[in-house]
Amino acid sequence: AQKVTQAQTEISVVEKEDVTLDCVYETRDTTYYLFWYKQPPSGELVFLIRRNSFDEQNEISGRYSWNFQKSTSSFNFTITASQVVDSAVYFCALSPAAGNKLTFGGGTRVLVKP
Amino acid sequence: KAGVTQTPRYLIKTRGQQVTLSCSPISGHRSVSWYQQTPGQGLQFLFEYFSETQRNKGNFPGRFSGRQFSNSRSEMNVSTLELGDSALYLCASSWSGETQYFGPGTRLLVL
Repeated sequence: AQKVTQAQTEISVVEKEDVTLDCVYETRDTTYYLFWYKQPPSGELVFLIRRNSFDEQNEISGRYSWNFQKSTSSFNFTITASQVVDSAVYFCALSPAAGNKLTFGGGTRVLVKP
Repeated sequence: KAGVTQTPRYLIKTRGQQVTLSCSPISGHRSVSWYQQTPGQGLQFLFEYFSETQRNKGNFPGRFSGRQFSNSRSEMNVSTLELGDSALYLCASSWSGETQYFGPGTRLLVL
């Protein structure tokens, strides 16, 4: 069975600070995908990033960056220079390589204060 | 390209009734998945349809069912509603088996 754990339930920062969200996962699959989604108050889940299990290269996309470490089953996500519009609930998710079945973590609520 | 659309956006039902939710995927996407989000259980996978066939199923009772039409549009049905079925129901689409894009959801309140 797959499992995703987001230990941080809520993070509060002041605008322009960096925010790092932790995610730890469990799976027996050798090939899988990892995701980060953002859920603003409107409720819609917004796709942010996806990583394949066989690609541990860490990248930066605008103000977003991620640190994927297969050895520790972690997929952490960082927002650089946070803005008020970044306030939302962020979900880490895991899916098998075949088929669409996302397993979500409990989410981390991020509050960015001006 | 238009995103995933869901109708209705809000729904109020009473216990024992049944409800049907609709989802139109992004044009060209053949996979549609459904998720339930509640404060207590979080986001949980219901089922996935691909080319009109159920490809994956989550751990929900048989009261929850779905189907997909030849144009990839999908419907989800919940029969004999219970108070615990009150939730945000999210639909997601993808071309086959990669990134899922979500719709705005349907908020169901069961009284």
